[in-house]
Amino acid sequence: DAGVTQSPTHLIKTRGQQVTLRCSPKSGHDTVSWYQQALGQGPQFIFQYYEEEERQRGNFPDRFSGHQFPNYSSELNVNALLLGDSALYLCASSFMTPGTGADYGYTFGSGTRLTVV
Amino acid sequence: KQEVTQIPAALSVPEGENLVLNCSFTDSAIYNLQWFRQDPGKGLTSLLLIQSSQREQTSGRLNASLDKSSGRSTLYIAASQPGDSATYLCAVRFTGGFKTIFGAGTRLFVKA
Repeated sequence: DAGVTQSPTHLIKTRGQQVTLRCSPKSGHDTVSWYQQALGQGPQFIFQYYEEEERQRGNFPDRFSGHQFPNYSSELNVNALLLGDSALYLCASSFMTPGTGADYGYTFGSGTRLTVV
Repeated sequence: KQEVTQIPAALSVPEGENLVLNCSFTDSAIYNLQWFRQDPGKGLTSLLLIQSSQREQTSGRLNASLDKSSGRSTLYIAASQPGDSATYLCAVRFTGGFKTIFGAGTRLFVKA
């Protein structure tokens, strides 16, 4: 049973460029959440996708956007990269019981290390 | 504001010691609380998940407790080993939303 898969594992970009990160959720999971983790800090919530729509968004600018596909996989796009966007980007998948909001916790991928120079 | 706090930020113990990591949260209305382990530069590995209706969960040498009324959770690690050295993160999903909020973590070092 494959877990959460993220690609690429590492990425170096120049300020002002755009980047796309990808995530395939764990089998049986239908919800994908993206987090940004700066060095020495806890993960910060970017947004969550469910049924191909952004269901909730954290305190991140519109430069951060995403998409969820019919097979539940997801992409995170960041435009106009800044030096401060350098971080580990984590994807987490989960399954929520319809109508109750209850879930069974997150499963995380190994992350994408983004360096902006 | 919904927040999660972990104390201490760092901890160094000799091998074999039993230890407790603390997590506090600002709102008792939660769906669940999850403890994770993170090795340097790696993703998060789930250790234990406690649903709102539960008081504790156990897995091997790990035991996590939940006290919603006081807004606290503890992760107890028995007979610590050097392989337990990592950062331990507490994460809470509050009701009224879908996001899970993380603490900043406790960095644990177990000396051989």
